[in-house]
Amino acid sequence: SAVISQKPSRDICQRGTSLTIQCQVDSQVTMMFWYRQQPGQSLTLIATANQGSEATYESGFVIDKFPISRPNLTFSTLTVSNMSPEDSSIYLCSVDANTDTQYFGPGTRLTVL
Amino acid sequence: QKEVEQNSGPLSVPEGAIASLNCTYSDRGSQSFFWYRQYSGKSPELIMSIYSNGDKEDGRFTAQLNKASQYVSLLIRDSQPSDSATYLCAVNGGMRNTGNQFYFGTGTSLTVIP
Repeated sequence: SAVISQKPSRDICQRGTSLTIQCQVDSQVTMMFWYRQQPGQSLTLIATANQGSEATYESGFVIDKFPISRPNLTFSTLTVSNMSPEDSSIYLCSVDANTDTQYFGPGTRLTVL
Repeated sequence: QKEVEQNSGPLSVPEGAIASLNCTYSDRGSQSFFWYRQYSGKSPELIMSIYSNGDKEDGRFTAQLNKASQYVSLLIRDSQPSDSATYLCAVNGGMRNTGNQFYFGTGTSLTVIP
């Protein structure tokens, strides 16, 4: 398995601002994934981040709203831009650790006022 | 559309009983299946994976897979209050150019009553 950390663990933000979430892994991984989990809901994949290329976004998610960086094999960031209360959610990064199993970071709990 | 379906619950069992959690999936070509446990306010934690038809046991947990019926289940024996959590079923839908595509069910909420 992989040890994954995320920063910040939680934040309260004002409408219209942006927040960048960091995800750090203790080993090199090919793919990193960003999910959103809204209250009482399951996981929704936002995008997949591969080092050295642009992220691939799922239907309903766009780069202007959720820009992603993947500068190396152990780190990625997700920015939630121009936030609204509907963006209040838990944001999770995960990695596949070069196996077919996904491991999750501790998550970032975002509240937008 | 590849789907993973679970009963949302809540499922309540008394302490010491067997909890049975069920999941069906739509993609007959799926090869890998996973159960995650998610405590309230925490991230999902992998507890079991299963790849072949039949049973796989790990301590108090048993995963069961029936590919013909497209059905996977999780049994928790001697349930403890600490098992109270939401259990997510996940199916690996295979490789695409962005890596393994996981499909998650909506989760079953389990409460173990002391």
